[in-house]
Amino acid sequence: DVKVTQSSRYLVKRTGEKVFLECVQDMDHENMFWYRQDPGLGLRLIYFSYDVKMKEKGDIPEGYSVSREKKERFSLILESASTNQTSMYLCASSFDGYGMDVEAFFGQGTRLTVV
Amino acid sequence: AQSVTQLGSHVSVSEGALVLLRCNYSSSVPPYLFWYVQYPNQGLQLLLKYTSAATLVKGINGFEAEFKKSETSFHLTKPSAHMSDAAEYFCAVTPNSGYSTLTFGKGTMLLVSP
Repeated sequence: DVKVTQSSRYLVKRTGEKVFLECVQDMDHENMFWYRQDPGLGLRLIYFSYDVKMKEKGDIPEGYSVSREKKERFSLILESASTNQTSMYLCASSFDGYGMDVEAFFGQGTRLTVV
Repeated sequence: AQSVTQLGSHVSVSEGALVLLRCNYSSSVPPYLFWYVQYPNQGLQLLLKYTSAATLVKGINGFEAEFKKSETSFHLTKPSAHMSDAAEYFCAVTPNSGYSTLTFGKGTMLLVSP
């Protein structure tokens, strides 16, 4: 089975802290994604990466950055956490290209609370 | 550009009743379409996918969906609801053009009463 593992299920951080959310996948997927999920808003794409050291902004990148130094690992960084970044964060990965195996596989999510 | 509209943020059914969750999409190129399910405090799990093969797609847990190009729809159905189906369901679209990102609908919470 494909496994996408997020380092923490629950996190509580203080305003202004630098926060790292880590994600690791074990299926050699090219693509990796970070989404944010809020009630009534669905999933919104923060950043994605289609290769090592490559990154692209999604719909809501402000206040976030990412790092992908190895193919299997994709990190989301909150440079200075704010209370409006309290949310559920979901990491996902997928193969690149055409064909049947194009779905994204998701981690269990990290529920981040900023106080 | 692509977008997904899920009609109804909440749908309530009785156990044993038909489940119908609606999804309409817009896409400038032929799409791939997906339904995901999310149980409380969990990640998303793939229910089924349409990738340009058969228009009627069967998924896990007895769910199925039909791709209707003329209606730009991909509605999710299940003949008989079970209590364990109570969850949030997300429809998603990606262009059938290689590398791209998923665009999600806002989700529909399915409530199942005994």
